[in-house]
Amino acid sequence: DTAVSQTPKYLVTQMGNDKSIKCEQNLGHDTMYWYKQDSKKFLKIMFSYNNKELIINETVPNRFSPKSPDKAHLNLHINSLELGDSAVYFCASSQDPPYTSTDTQYFGPGTRLTVL
Amino acid sequence: DAKTTQPPSMDCAEGRAANLPCNHSTISGNEYVYWYRQIHSQGPQYIIHGLKNNETNEMASLIITEDRKSSTLILPHATLRDTAVYYCIVRVDTGTASKLTFGTGTRLQVTL
Repeated sequence: DTAVSQTPKYLVTQMGNDKSIKCEQNLGHDTMYWYKQDSKKFLKIMFSYNNKELIINETVPNRFSPKSPDKAHLNLHINSLELGDSAVYFCASSQDPPYTSTDTQYFGPGTRLTVL
Repeated sequence: DAKTTQPPSMDCAEGRAANLPCNHSTISGNEYVYWYRQIHSQGPQYIIHGLKNNETNEMASLIITEDRKSSTLILPHATLRDTAVYYCIVRVDTGTASKLTFGTGTRLQVTL
């Protein structure tokens, strides 16, 4: 069973389109995250939700809107896609909120987004 | 910005111990050191973490210096499947949340 899953694995789209990436975890974790890994392989946190509440919101354009319908899901919707949005997006989850001693994060396999 | 410095790459012969160093000279007293790795095209994988004491689990050992300004991740018997980018991370706490800020990591190549 996949602990953290993402769909789709690959996403190719035109500039200006709106797209969503879905993430689900079956670990019973309370906290979920979105990270972006660009072409230079830098991995940066974008958002974090704890019990469906937004707790980390990095300097991300407001074209990116996370949605957490329940604790097991954290989807990422992107409006008006731009060339610079091309990257691999990773979802992750952890048992505890990200200010406890454990905070071991489990990552999904990633979604490779290509904007043409 | 990442608070850690790592060598960009290292080689290790299969079966030998791989010792990956990390400098974190600006670490604060309550900040944890985490190690993750990313095998090509996969999501990062947690390895180990520690605060002051040395730690060991089924994957690796973490040696933290007494002044906590540096640490070493040890893979006791490296295999080809350990070839990956290894990230040393200092977890930054902001009061209501904390962040794992990934740096550029060390690309470990395990060879026959």
